[in-house]
Amino acid sequence: EPEVTQTPSHQVTQMGQEVILRCVPISNHLYFYWYRQILGQKVEFLVSFYNNEISEKSEIFDDQFSVERPDGSNFTLKIRSTKLEDSAMYFCASILLLGQGLYEQYFGPGTRLTVT
Amino acid sequence: KNEVEQSPQNLTAQEGEFITINCSYSVGISALHWLQQHPGGGIVSLFMLSSGKKKHGRLIATINIQEKHSSLHITASHPRDSAVYICAVGNYGGSQGNLIFGKGTKLSVKP
Repeated sequence: EPEVTQTPSHQVTQMGQEVILRCVPISNHLYFYWYRQILGQKVEFLVSFYNNEISEKSEIFDDQFSVERPDGSNFTLKIRSTKLEDSAMYFCASILLLGQGLYEQYFGPGTRLTVT
Repeated sequence: KNEVEQSPQNLTAQEGEFITINCSYSVGISALHWLQQHPGGGIVSLFMLSSGKKKHGRLIATINIQEKHSSLHITASHPRDSAVYICAVGNYGGSQGNLIFGKGTKLSVKP
């Protein structure tokens, strides 16, 4: 069965450092997403990406965040200068459109980011 | 902004019991999702609903658009069903995948 993969599974970084979280969406999917889940809290939408550009982003996704699809397979989330409150599980997802407004969404296993 | 409320927050059941998890939301939606989050953190999409009812194996999801309410039922529950079940909604006009998530219902099924 096709799957979304994410690397690394766990990233520890110091406050102020840049981190890049990597995702490989399912190959024939065209829509990509990042979500985050702070420990013990709800999952939150960060950004959606289609046709090599951001299609929508949340208030959380400020200038410290950026996304890129550098090579047609990887989909990355960069945090420029990490803060303690960026510590969370980050999930990548991709979507297969089924038509009539329906779709199947596949989530990656997540990257746990710990900022110290 | 849509508010998504789930109940109960925690649920403990004996193996074989019929389980219902509820989700309500405050503003009209384009679609509602039920997701399962495993103890290790991974998320699996179970259902996407815009109306009516869907069934997959022992799982049934229903939605009442007028009442802004959805339920997830698990028949003949099993310990392997133990997980957090999350309801998420997409607002009209938002992109697919721009979802508002509930806090989740933690289900524990005892053998």
